[in-house]
Amino acid sequence: NAGVTQTPKFQVLKTGQSMTLQCAQDMNHNSMYWYRQDPGMGLRLIYYSASEGTTDKGEVPNGYNVSRLNKREFSLRLESAAPSQTSVYFCASSAGSNSPLHFGNGTRLTVT
Amino acid sequence: GQQVMQIPQYQHVQEGEDFTTYCNSSTTLSNIQWYKQRPGGHPVFLIQLVKSGEVKKQKRLTFQFGEAKKNSSLHITATQTTDVGTYFCAGRNFGNEKLTFGTGTRLTIIP
Repeated sequence: NAGVTQTPKFQVLKTGQSMTLQCAQDMNHNSMYWYRQDPGMGLRLIYYSASEGTTDKGEVPNGYNVSRLNKREFSLRLESAAPSQTSVYFCASSAGSNSPLHFGNGTRLTVT
Repeated sequence: GQQVMQIPQYQHVQEGEDFTTYCNSSTTLSNIQWYKQRPGGHPVFLIQLVKSGEVKKQKRLTFQFGEAKKNSSLHITATQTTDVGTYFCAGRNFGNEKLTFGTGTRLTIIP
């Protein structure tokens, strides 16, 4: 069982470059999430999607865009990367508001 | 917006000692979840609490949800080296899919 798969695992970008982080889940979950994790700040929600075709902003959406391509896939795009976006990014999925989150293994992004 | 605070930020204990982390929300929650993240890993779901005053146990771990549904705690009895990691609480407001994580408590064990 793959669960939640994130790609890539590691990425180094230069300031101003763009990239898309990919996330796919095979659990038929309705909800999907993107979090970033920085030392001492826990997990902060960037965007989430409660169902296919809908997306909503979280706590820290500036500088990011998302696409819920279908029920399985939820991608996160950085249009013009900044050093402040250096972080570990986690994708997660959930069956609904009373269900736990299942996390991917994360993407470690460094912006120089 | 909703804020979820956790204390302490760090806790170092001797193996065999007890450990407690506390979670406080600025708003009333519909439910609260607890996660554990091992060093270098991803958060893994431990438990969900839904009812006011609810207490749940998992072996040496005891989880409580406050009467006002604004605070929660995780207590570990007789810690072991396998308990090392960061423990996060995460809360949801009513009718909202958004799950807000606390800042986490990093537990280290001194053998």
